[in-house]
Amino acid sequence: SQQGEEDPQALSIQEGENATMNCSYKTSINNLQWYRQNSGRGLVHLILIRSNEREKHSGRLRVTLDTSKKSSSLLITASRAADTASYFCATDAKGYSTLTFGKGTMLLVSP
Amino acid sequence: NAGVTQTPKFQVLKTGQSMTLQCAQDMNHEYMSWYRQDPGMGLRLIHYSVGAGITDQGEVPNGYNVSRSTTEDFPLRLLSAAPSQTSVYFCASSSGQGRAFFGQGTRLTVV
Repeated sequence: SQQGEEDPQALSIQEGENATMNCSYKTSINNLQWYRQNSGRGLVHLILIRSNEREKHSGRLRVTLDTSKKSSSLLITASRAADTASYFCATDAKGYSTLTFGKGTMLLVSP
Repeated sequence: NAGVTQTPKFQVLKTGQSMTLQCAQDMNHEYMSWYRQDPGMGLRLIHYSVGAGITDQGEVPNGYNVSRSTTEDFPLRLLSAAPSQTSVYFCASSSGQGRAFFGQGTRLTVV
């Protein structure tokens, strides 16, 4: 079964706006990771946040993790058309990088 | 910078045929795993390995076999292909406790 569930399923914004995606999961985790996928191609790792961390930044990305609510959010600031892709959260419960993925959020950024 | 290499990129099989999807990594990672991605879904774990000679089942192992004789290689065998195995297959590797590195995927169609 899918551990992570992203919300919303689809998001359409204009360039320059911020995009926020949320992820909920069911069991305890070692870490949570966010990936980007363009049109069914390979996955690009964006950011990893460990279970003892609450917030992490990388460039225009900000990730938060609330283990008490079993939820995470990904914020992309100042979106660009090139950010158009599907975004997945993936949880790692065992620490072996055996990831459990959500169904993803499709982000469309219009020029 | 090879990373994780999957072959072939595309494959069409007839129902009942067998084949092996190849996966090789050159990062000396202990952990390797296979996922499948169906339309509108996130990736689901098929099998994984925590080192040479050690493999275990993931969420959807039926119809697939794996073995790990070397650190570098982790082939996935389809024993008797079925249309339900039409999917995109991704191989990943990791050093553990961190991000996973994904191959570019194999698009398999079973007719």
